[in-house]
Amino acid sequence: EPEVTQTPSHQVTQMGQEVILRCVPISNHLYFYWYRQILGQKVEFLVSFYNNEISEKSEIFDDQFSVERPDGSNFTLKIRSTKLEDSAMYFCARAGQGRTEAFFGQGTRLTVV
Amino acid sequence: GEDVEQSLFLSVREGDSSVINCTYTDSSSTYLYWYKQEPGAGLQLLTYIFSNMDMKQDQRLTVLLNKKDKHLSLRIADTQTGDSAIYFCAERPIGGGGSQGNLIFGKGTKLSVKP
Repeated sequence: EPEVTQTPSHQVTQMGQEVILRCVPISNHLYFYWYRQILGQKVEFLVSFYNNEISEKSEIFDDQFSVERPDGSNFTLKIRSTKLEDSAMYFCARAGQGRTEAFFGQGTRLTVV
Repeated sequence: GEDVEQSLFLSVREGDSSVINCTYTDSSSTYLYWYKQEPGAGLQLLTYIFSNMDMKQDQRLTVLLNKKDKHLSLRIADTQTGDSAIYFCAERPIGGGGSQGNLIFGKGTKLSVKP
């Protein structure tokens, strides 16, 4: 059973449209991450989120991206105006105790057409 | 910057041992991880080791770390067809001014187990 549940499992969107990817932790945890994996490439860090604030972000995480935890439960990644190169598998993860471990969801495959 | 490299493919026969190799470049203290990804599934944490350790064993899995060469390996004993998956090596540097908390992944090694 995954530590976090991601929805949807697959999203197809038109270029320029906004998408929201969702992550629902099973337990009540405070530290989360988003990663992405473009087909054939490495899994890349996007952003970490702690106690309702961005803790760290990579160069990939530009103004087109935002994260929030609007209802204290769901953790969302929003891409404002999708580009073809945003097509990737997006993984949400939550930190284990002491932040040593990271437990990943099953991912959302985003296809931008 | 930090980098993690892995060979892309490994093929073994059922019952043999598999050894998946990884090299990393970070020179500070780091945690090193092995994740498994089955088709259509997410990243499953298998095991991890801190860079001051040489070895860690967990049932059929043995992690060996050569700190001098910055070489990490994952040995799977008695490999089964269910072990067929992509195995990702990752590191998380701590201290030394590097990024903390985020993982740096290799490209993954696709393990194929032939019956």
